[in-house]
Amino acid sequence: KNEVEQSPQNLTAQEGEFITINCSYSVGISALHWLQQHPGGGIVSLFMLSSGKKKHGRLIATINIQEKHSSLHITASHPRDSAVYICAVRNSGNTPLVFGKGTRLSVIA
Amino acid sequence: NAGVTQTPKFQVLKTGQSMTLQCAQDMNHEYMSWYRQDPGMGLRLIHYSVGAGITDQGEVPNGYNVSRSTTEDFPLRLLSAAPSQTSVYFCASSYTTPGRHGIYTQYFGPGTRLTVL
Repeated sequence: KNEVEQSPQNLTAQEGEFITINCSYSVGISALHWLQQHPGGGIVSLFMLSSGKKKHGRLIATINIQEKHSSLHITASHPRDSAVYICAVRNSGNTPLVFGKGTRLSVIA
Repeated sequence: NAGVTQTPKFQVLKTGQSMTLQCAQDMNHEYMSWYRQDPGMGLRLIHYSVGAGITDQGEVPNGYNVSRSTTEDFPLRLLSAAPSQTSVYFCASSYTTPGRHGIYTQYFGPGTRLTVL
């Protein structure tokens, strides 16, 4: 079974800071997902990537397949970015996702 | 599209009671799944389905049953509720075929908060 580790567990930042959240996994994968869970509990998918880098607004996700590592970056952070960010991996095809425990981000104005 | 809907949003049960958590999606997704989320733990897969009539167990299936008689609906049944089943339950759906929108993006329902006394 793939083990997914996220760091840090908790992160507090000042508004405007550049934020990095890391995700490592133990076994080769077909895809990696980044999700955001809002304080109210809703979960939305941010990115799915299998190689390289993706960008959406102030969010950037990168993955290094050889190192089994992915990062989620937030530029010019804002209090509305406060949420739990979850990394999840899929071993192959459409096998079920394996989730990390999440990183709780608080951005202070 | 309503996306993924779940009912109820909150539920309190007594030990031994049974109930069904409802999940429906209107996106014609083949893949549906149920997760539970507990403090300090990641989302854990309970059961999943890759299409109508097909279900399979996930990581923590004990105490739960599912069925998939239609593409749209994927109910989760608690047969005899136990305090250990106190959790937040999420239903999710996605396409299974790469190339359909090119991604396996999972769409999550709003969750059901269940307390078993």
